Amino acid sequence: KAGVTQTPRYLIKTRGQQVTLSCSPISGHRSVSWYQQTPGQGLQFLFEYFSETQRNKGNFPGRFSGRQFSNSRSEMNVSTLELGDSALYLCASSLEPDPRVRDGYTFGSGTRLTVV
Amino acid sequence: GIQVEQSPPDLILQEGANSTLRCNFSDSVNNLQWFHQNPWGQLINLFYIPSGTKQNGRLSATTVATERYSLLYISSSQTTDSGVYFCAVGELDSNYQLIWGAGTKLIIKP
Repeated sequence: KAGVTQTPRYLIKTRGQQVTLSCSPISGHRSVSWYQQTPGQGLQFLFEYFSETQRNKGNFPGRFSGRQFSNSRSEMNVSTLELGDSALYLCASSLEPDPRVRDGYTFGSGTRLTVV
Repeated sequence: GIQVEQSPPDLILQEGANSTLRCNFSDSVNNLQWFHQNPWGQLINLFYIPSGTKQNGRLSATTVATERYSLLYISSSQTTDSGVYFCAVGELDSNYQLIWGAGTKLIIKP
């Protein structure tokens, strides 16, 4: 079966622009989580969506937003890009709806965003 | 919030060697997982192990929840084991996010 698909793989944007990243989860998975990975801060949780609802949000400014569609595909948007937003953005899909007992995450290959 | 510390930060071994990676966490957890990120950035879920011991081929993991640590064992290392190994935990009072350690970077030399 198809894995988690993230598009685009690479992106170069200019400061002040906005960007939209896409994540298609594994068929049947309704949970999608987003993470930002940087050399300095490691992996940090952005938000999780389940059945089109944002269930939790990490400690990121309001410039970071997301949504999930009825087919479980998710998008995240970053407005007014800053140099510090340069990172690998990873999404993960899960079958288990309860994250407290969730035993598996399938990650996409990520979108590497460079802000210049 | 909960703190997750992994050691060692870097490890360089010859092919065929065994290794032990450690993850310490500062509070009780409801979830603990080990991941491997290959040199191309792909993250793979290795184990879900909030307590007890599991084995999968050359890899095994043990979590002693009462003492707040987990160990990942890699036996007979292969070059394809290279990459970064992450431990991630879920806090008891946090429903939806994993807190990640900084990782152990493992390099297996042929």
